Amino acid sequence: DAGVIQSPRHEVTEMGQEVTLRCKPISGHNSLFWYRQTMMRGLELLIYFNNNVPIDDSGMPEDRFSAKMPNASFSTLKIQPSEPRDSAVYFCASRETGGANVLTFGAGSRLTVL
Amino acid sequence: AQSVAQPEDQVNVAEGNPLTVKCTYSVSGNPYLFWYVQYPNRGLQFLLKYITGDNLVKGSYGFEAEFNKSQTSFHLKKPSALVSDSALYFCAVRDLYGDTGRRALTFGSGTRLQVQP
Repeated sequence: DAGVIQSPRHEVTEMGQEVTLRCKPISGHNSLFWYRQTMMRGLELLIYFNNNVPIDDSGMPEDRFSAKMPNASFSTLKIQPSEPRDSAVYFCASRETGGANVLTFGAGSRLTVL
Repeated sequence: AQSVAQPEDQVNVAEGNPLTVKCTYSVSGNPYLFWYVQYPNRGLQFLLKYITGDNLVKGSYGFEAEFNKSQTSFHLKKPSALVSDSALYFCAVRDLYGDTGRRALTFGSGTRLQVQP
């Protein structure tokens, strides 16, 4: 298994541009999580899905952020418009049913908004 | 609400010496507790977990952690540190009986472990 796959690994964009981050979870895992990591705030849960349905999006910073999971093998996190304070590493993680909460993380997408 | 505290931003230890990385937690019910490690430019990797049973749990790479309910702690330990153990370590918690909104893990702020040769 290739693990959780995220793309792009690095993204540099200008303020105001739309950013789309992508995630492919491990096949058979039914829960997917988006986390954001910054020096100031550490690891923050943004949103998570169970069986493709958003369960808790209370961590999504504001309306500029949106996440979708159209099927079991793909999720996107979109920021529109992006701002410099959105600069962070965004991690996707997946978890199997009955997996005692062991998350498998992707390598992350490092976003820099100029 | 559930929360995790890692009181040390950094821990320095000499190679061959024992190491401890501290973690305390707060949940309303019984906890699921985890340790993850992050190497530079990588995602977090699972080390070990406590769900129930023995208070001392053993994990990957020779690490172990001790669950102490009275002190609400879950400190990570290793008898003999290696230079290759140098990384960022995260403690995480989930409330076993939490409602839907708390089924995700809450992570601590992380502790950087530096093992000197």
